[in-house]
Order: sequence, then structure tokens, then C-alpha cells
Amino acid sequence: DVKVTQSSRYLVKRTGEKVFLECVQDMDHENMFWYRQDPGLGLRLIYFSYDVKMKEKGDIPEGYSVSREKKERFSLILESASTNQTSMYLCASSLNQPKNIQYFGAGTRLSVL
Amino acid sequence: EDQVTQSPEALRLQEGESSSLNCSYTVSGLRGLFWYRQDPGKGPEFLFTLYSAGEEKEKERLKATLTKKESFLHITAPKPEDSATYLCAWRSYGGATNKLIFGTGTLLAVQP
Repeated sequence: DVKVTQSSRYLVKRTGEKVFLECVQDMDHENMFWYRQDPGLGLRLIYFSYDVKMKEKGDIPEGYSVSREKKERFSLILESASTNQTSMYLCASSLNQPKNIQYFGAGTRLSVL
Repeated sequence: EDQVTQSPEALRLQEGESSSLNCSYTVSGLRGLFWYRQDPGKGPEFLFTLYSAGEEKEKERLKATLTKKESFLHITAPKPEDSATYLCAWRSYGGATNKLIFGTGTLLAVQP
């Protein structure tokens, strides 16, 4: 079974803090993704990576950065957390094939106070 | 602008009462349709992928179908354990190879 593991299920941070969300996959997938999910807005893509050290902006990259130093690990960084970044964050991974499927982690619910 | 619309937003069924969820899109080219199930507080779980108009796939009480402009998720004789949010996503042609565009989901509640 594909396993995508997010390091924290719940996080509470203060405004202005630097926040790291970690994601690890064990299926040797080339592609990894970070989404945020908010009520009424669905899943929105923040960043994705198709190879080590490669990254591309998604639809809402402002206020976020990412790091992919190893194939299995993709980190989402909030340089200076703000209250409007309170959300559910979901990591996903997939193979780089035409009929690929994205597999998701359990999510990290982040609250910024 | 590429857009995915799911309807209804919420659906309440009695156990055994069959129904369908709709997913329509306005996307510049289609390269796949995906259905996911999401339980509260968890990540989406993959159900089906469809690529061609007329294609159908089944899994237990769920059946997904695809036309040129929309997809349906048919639920036959649902049980309370089918209660979840069902998400659809389209992969569009061009741009990032693996980018999915998600709808906002249908929240399904099946009462015993």
C-alpha cells in the first residue's frame, strides 16, 4: 500500500512564527504536492515538485515556500505564519505516468493564533 | 477559467435509498477524472479514475460514469458507512502534467 505520512495531525502556532510541515512517502514517487483545504473552497494547490530540488508554484503559493532535498520528503514552510493560514494542509504523491493517481496523507490541521 | 462544480453540496439519504452525485467541468481539455472519498479529519482516499466518455467503473455500492462534460457517482442501496464527503477532480491538458482541479465536494449522510 502507498503510504504518505504527515508529521503532525494538529499544530497550534503563533502569528509570525516560522512553521514547517513535513511529508514523507514510501513508494518512490516522483511527484509530491501540497494542498490546503478550506470549507467552501475545496482543495487548492500550493506547490508541487516533480523531482528532487525541483518545485513549481501552484494556484496559491503566496506566503509559502517548499523544500525537496530527498525524493521521499517534501516540506512546506510558512515563513511568517498569519491567521489566514489557519487551515487543513494535505500532502499527496504520485508517479510521473500518464494515468497516475495522487495518494494523500491524513492531513495537518494548523491553527495560527 | 478551468472550473469544477459538484452537486448537490449536501445529500441526506435513508439506508437503501439510491442516488447520484454530479461532477461537471469547464476545463480546456480533459486528461482524466478522479473520484475520492474523504472522511472527517482525514485525507482523501482514491476511489476511481476515468479517462474516456462512456467509461464506467464499479466498486461495491459505487459506480462512476463519464460523459464529455460531466461525471456521475451512483450510489446503490447505500449504508451508513458510505457517509463521507465525495470529491471529484479533473486533470486538464497542458501546463503541469499532474495538476488536478478539485470540486468542493458533496457531503453525503446515510441514515439507518
